[in-house]
Amino acid sequence: AQSVTQLDSHVSVSEGTPVLLRCNYSSSYSPSLFWYVQHPNKGLQLLLKYTSAATLVKGINGFEAEFKKSETSFHLTKPSAHMSDAAEYFCVVRPNTNAGKSTFGDGTTLTVKP
Amino acid sequence: GAVVSQHPSRVICKSGTSVKIECRSLDFQATTMFWYRQFPKQSLMLMATSNEGSKATYEQGVEKDKFLINHASLTLSTLTVTSAHPEDSSFYICSAETRGTDTQYFGPGTRLTVL
Repeated sequence: AQSVTQLDSHVSVSEGTPVLLRCNYSSSYSPSLFWYVQHPNKGLQLLLKYTSAATLVKGINGFEAEFKKSETSFHLTKPSAHMSDAAEYFCVVRPNTNAGKSTFGDGTTLTVKP
Repeated sequence: GAVVSQHPSRVICKSGTSVKIECRSLDFQATTMFWYRQFPKQSLMLMATSNEGSKATYEQGVEKDKFLINHASLTLSTLTVTSAHPEDSSFYICSAETRGTDTQYFGPGTRLTVL
């Protein structure tokens, strides 16, 4: 069994300040973890993924995430928010087994204030 | 690389008609494609998984006779909503991956409105 909890449904930051989007997971198997971003009425774009290599993962657009097994967390961060970062963010867990299905978090809406 | 397209992006149809949505992987071979449904302000709900050349596997509660999925080639899967009703109105998103990898690439979605 697996699950994903995005701890904040909404996060609001000012432009130029750091972003932290929190994600906790549980999985019976060693998981792969992903962060996707979705802009309004668009599909999901892959930001980054963790697949048991380096625990600190760098993604696109300045985002990065750290896999912490002891805390079962995979929080997404960015040092300085940009207006274009305003979107919906999804944390996704997938077990490293054949035909492992992805489980999506409920999403976090990021608002960036000027 | 890893681009997935969907067509149409928006469709409006009358109740009782059928609508076909196409999902294409443009620059890679998609051995597996997934179809999701997303309600406003909600996460994605997996409807079915299709492997190229075989029947789709539907999630519990998804009517396979209503949501027909075909994955006849390594670059194309289609979702047909048969006898559509207003409650089928939603945002439908497909994703695709290559066997042996674990990363799904998503299409831009199709907004279906049934009048």
